[in-house]
Amino acid sequence: GAVVSQHPSRVICKSGTSVKIECRSLDFQATTMFWYRQFPKQSLMLMATSNEGSKATYEQGVEKDKFLINHASLTLSTLTVTSAHPEDSSFYICSARSWEEKLFFGSGTQLSVL
Amino acid sequence: KQEVTQIPAALSVPEGENLVLNCSFTDSAIYNLQWFRQDPGKGLTSLLLIQSSQREQTSGRLNASLDKSSGRSTLYIAASQPGDSATYLCAVDTGFQKLVFGTGTRLLVSP
Repeated sequence: GAVVSQHPSRVICKSGTSVKIECRSLDFQATTMFWYRQFPKQSLMLMATSNEGSKATYEQGVEKDKFLINHASLTLSTLTVTSAHPEDSSFYICSARSWEEKLFFGSGTQLSVL
Repeated sequence: KQEVTQIPAALSVPEGENLVLNCSFTDSAIYNLQWFRQDPGKGLTSLLLIQSSQREQTSGRLNASLDKSSGRSTLYIAASQPGDSATYLCAVDTGFQKLVFGTGTRLLVSP
């Protein structure tokens, strides 16, 4: 079946640094990629939607200058958390939509900001 | 604004029991509803997807029903096994595959 590879699976960083998370569709082209985050004991919340070659669309309350999304190719999207702070500590997960409009999820990234 | 609620938040059962997980949503204008399984620190595995025009879907020991008019879905797990222990999430597609997730039910099946 289709696979979405997400790296890193876990990252610990110091406050003020930037962290990049990659989401790659391995055997299909992703027309759209979605980025979600999940705080402890809360549900997954959609952060943004990105289409290849276009600017991402951010959900209300998500700072676009803090969470930079790049979808430069049909197989790769990246989420960069800029100047990370402890409140950004969360589980981040991507999903990719194929041409057949099926959704596949990455394995997630646990970000801890000290 | 669509809100999705799952009850119970946690469930612990002995192996072999049949169980029901509940999901409710506030806006019936959905395209479909999915049930996912999430293992600790891992991604999501899609279990069942029910289109808005459908009433239920079955896969093995799993059966999911959908009552769109009342904003409810149930996931029935038959003959539970320890390997079923995980968090189960329901999510509704509000359009263009933007999913609104519930908070999940943490299931523990004891041997």
